[in-house]
Amino acid sequence: DAMVIQNPRYQVTQFGKPVTLSCSQTLNHNVMYWYQQKSSQAPKLLFHYYDKDFNNEADTPDNFQSRRPNTSFCFLDIRSPGLGDAAMYLCATSRTGFEKLFFGSGTQLSVL
Amino acid sequence: DQQVKQNSPSLSVQEGRISILNCDYTNSMFDYFLWYKKYPAEGPTFLISISSIKDKNEDGRFTVFLNKSAKHLSLHIVPSQPGDSAVYFCAALHTGANSKLTFGKGITLSVRP
Repeated sequence: DAMVIQNPRYQVTQFGKPVTLSCSQTLNHNVMYWYQQKSSQAPKLLFHYYDKDFNNEADTPDNFQSRRPNTSFCFLDIRSPGLGDAAMYLCATSRTGFEKLFFGSGTQLSVL
Repeated sequence: DQQVKQNSPSLSVQEGRISILNCDYTNSMFDYFLWYKKYPAEGPTFLISISSIKDKNEDGRFTVFLNKSAKHLSLHIVPSQPGDSAVYFCAALHTGANSKLTFGKGITLSVRP
């Protein structure tokens, strides 16, 4: 089945140690998104790619970077994770815009 | 500044009864609204949407009502089933350029057998 796949499901990293989360999609969608969701809070958009066009949210910390080497893959790099970065990270795709997003299962990041 | 508000964090309903999940928004530019459903350890999945040109959209057991003047929408689930137990997110969008989807905090629905 076509889907959005995130690896790993659970990621533990140390304070300050760089970590990369990955997302792949078989939907051939143009747009890919990264959301951060902390417990009992709304998912917060970090950035999104429309094809190769990168769109960063104004309040996304510089500590968060993203790469999209091709249509199918997108990566979230956290250069120096802090304790406040512990959260669920959700990758999503859509065909053309925000009207209907398809989410992966998420990566739960813990920072020790 | 929370533009999409789901003020009730949880709702418990008996199986077979109606579930009504409420959502309020503050941005009058929003013109498209969606509901997502999320099970534990899974990502949200799209459930139903409504454009601001309508006041009702129905899909099987799920109906979304929109009251633009009150900036309020609600999701009705009839009849509720135990498998409906999940977190439900309301989301809103202004379908103009450079707009993004704004989510509420979610409501946890528990349907008791």
